[in-house]
Amino acid sequence: DIQMTQSPSTLSASVGDRVTITCRASQSFDTWLAWYQQKPGKAPKLLIYKASSLESGVPSRFSGSGSGTEFTLTISSLQPDDFATYFCQQYNTYPWTFGQGTKVEIK
Amino acid sequence: EVQLVQSGAEVKKPGESLEISCKASGYTSTYWIAWVRQMPGKGLEWMGVIYPGDSDTKYSPSFQGRVTISADQSISTAYLQWTSLKASDSAIYYCARRRGTGGGLDRWGQGTLVTVSS
Repeated sequence: DIQMTQSPSTLSASVGDRVTITCRASQSFDTWLAWYQQKPGKAPKLLIYKASSLESGVPSRFSGSGSGTEFTLTISSLQPDDFATYFCQQYNTYPWTFGQGTKVEIK
Repeated sequence: EVQLVQSGAEVKKPGESLEISCKASGYTSTYWIAWVRQMPGKGLEWMGVIYPGDSDTKYSPSFQGRVTISADQSISTAYLQWTSLKASDSAIYYCARRRGTGGGLDRWGQGTLVTVSS
């Protein structure tokens, strides 16, 4: 199985901050990676697919990059609505696997 | 509007069987449907995925043999089934549609809370 490790686990930031979350894979693969946002009591929401493609309707302050074993999600200017938990997921190889999540908290 | 609507919350006893469902609407093409577990206060765990067109199914080794994923394309519904529940199966279960081009899970059900308690 490909293990996905996110860092940090928790991130404290202020509105307007630039935020970067990293996802590292235990094995190298191309760009079959997605990022999701989840708020308490809600289903996850797709933000980024194929490592860097922005899902329709997602604000352009979200961006993704990377390939191989290191991937990043960047929020260029953190907004109040962005305080949530973020997960990466690889779908290059079965079983698909998620990172453990990064909680973005208000500083 | 594309929607995945899941069946309602369930309260079961250990050893009982259970089937939960996920009905898709708002699209006509066939898409892979995945099931994802989220235990209380924890992260997301991929359980498996099914292609309703031919019922091709892939399981996570962590769930293989513990659950059965099935689908009825004629009614656009996917299922997740247990034959003998354990207390550790208590969780929220989500179904989600795999995006056609490029991948990722682009539409999610609202989640089904399963509580297993004696």
